[in-house]
Amino acid sequence: DAGITQSPRHKVTETGTPVTLRCHQTENHRYMYWYRQDPGHGLRLIHYSYGVKDTDKGEVSDGYSVSRSKTEDFLLTLESATSSQTSVYFCATEMVLGGQGFDGELFFGEGSRLTVL
Amino acid sequence: KQEVTQIPAALSVPEGENLVLNCSFTDSAIYNLQWFRQDPGKGLTSLLLIQSSQREQTSGRLNASLDKSSGRSTLYIAASQPGDSATYLCAVRHGGANSKLTFGKGITLSVRP
Repeated sequence: DAGITQSPRHKVTETGTPVTLRCHQTENHRYMYWYRQDPGHGLRLIHYSYGVKDTDKGEVSDGYSVSRSKTEDFLLTLESATSSQTSVYFCATEMVLGGQGFDGELFFGEGSRLTVL
Repeated sequence: KQEVTQIPAALSVPEGENLVLNCSFTDSAIYNLQWFRQDPGKGLTSLLLIQSSQREQTSGRLNASLDKSSGRSTLYIAASQPGDSATYLCAVRHGGANSKLTFGKGITLSVRP
């Protein structure tokens, strides 16, 4: 258990409003990820971070931005939410093996269920 | 592009049965493969991580094997219990710079008492 807390756990919002999801970890893992999970699509990577202020895009990054100002916090922002962004969002952290990164074990938070009306 | 397939999508077995869950991937140039369990409405729980240099990993009643050359991994569950009912996902970490995981869609397992 990597001590990952996601907030809020549930949110209902309206189209066009901004939304920020927060991921907080207590294990000092360097790498953090945001995924979304949708029926029929499985888990898809939105953005990831390999250190403070170091982030990069995943396969479904359009409409999302991220920020990481501290090791323990990784924020996902939907600047203007759309109905297609209704989903369950998962944060994950990576326990790196051997110090090389991207070869370690991932641990997931409990998810944030977002509904955009 | 790496593709990860888990077939069948759902499986129902009686309690006590030994069972195998399959995972196949198209590109054998992988760093590692990880098996997860997901209960309804919950996050993913890591079960086993197999590095590319390893052939198998064991944890309790679970054993995962990896055959890179054939693009396959199996998760063996011994003496299944109703508490094993969940969705099991495999994820492959493929090679290359800034490599990331590609997930299968999962197998939903139901163990009948």
